[in-house]
Amino acid sequence: GESVGLHLPTLSVQEGDNSIINCAYSNSASDYFIWYKQESGKGPQFIIDIRSNMDKRQGQRVTVLLNKTVKHLSLQIAATQPGDSAVYFCAENTAGYSTLTFGKGTMLLVSP
Amino acid sequence: EAQVTQNPRYLITVTGKKLTVTCSQNMNHEYMSWYRQDPGLGLRQIYYSMNVEVTDKGDVPEGYKVSRKEKRNFPLILESPSPNQTSLYFCASSVYPPNTDTQYFGPGTRLTVL
Repeated sequence: GESVGLHLPTLSVQEGDNSIINCAYSNSASDYFIWYKQESGKGPQFIIDIRSNMDKRQGQRVTVLLNKTVKHLSLQIAATQPGDSAVYFCAENTAGYSTLTFGKGTMLLVSP
Repeated sequence: EAQVTQNPRYLITVTGKKLTVTCSQNMNHEYMSWYRQDPGLGLRQIYYSMNVEVTDKGDVPEGYKVSRKEKRNFPLILESPSPNQTSLYFCASSVYPPNTDTQYFGPGTRLTVL
């Protein structure tokens, strides 16, 4: 397995619970935010994004909340399933810059 | 199938022996990027390319080179690898830069430099 999960904060939930994963971002000028999911042995996979002119965006079973005042981003996963077990990363981007800055990630463990 | 491929997936080498990790995408994406992933540090960008023959440094470019001679390929070159380059490497691509488009990541290359 991959060692990327070492040293990460971990959230353990039961199947069917709602999960909330938090991310504090660093740059107050960032205006685009993305959540990625990384399963063991795979590359990151896009989940949902949000721009700074919004404070909430919903997808299928996922919701992203953005609080620009405190530079905080959260990912809510409804009715968490074992297949949701993975490492979750937030990433930020600033308009005019062609790079993404990633957070260090949170490991989500879902038990049946 | 739309995908980003990397080769090799696993590589063990020795200090100073030049190596190249290939990256190819079949989606006609203009933007490509390389990241390294280390425990406790997350993903850090090494280099990126906005288009053919256009490359720029990311956050951690030291010890790496890249080239973009064709749109589909973006190889990562380590001229003289050192043990601190032991890491998990990801290539990614998107139509536009990441502030306007979703990046698609390859499966990763696990590199060990002895």
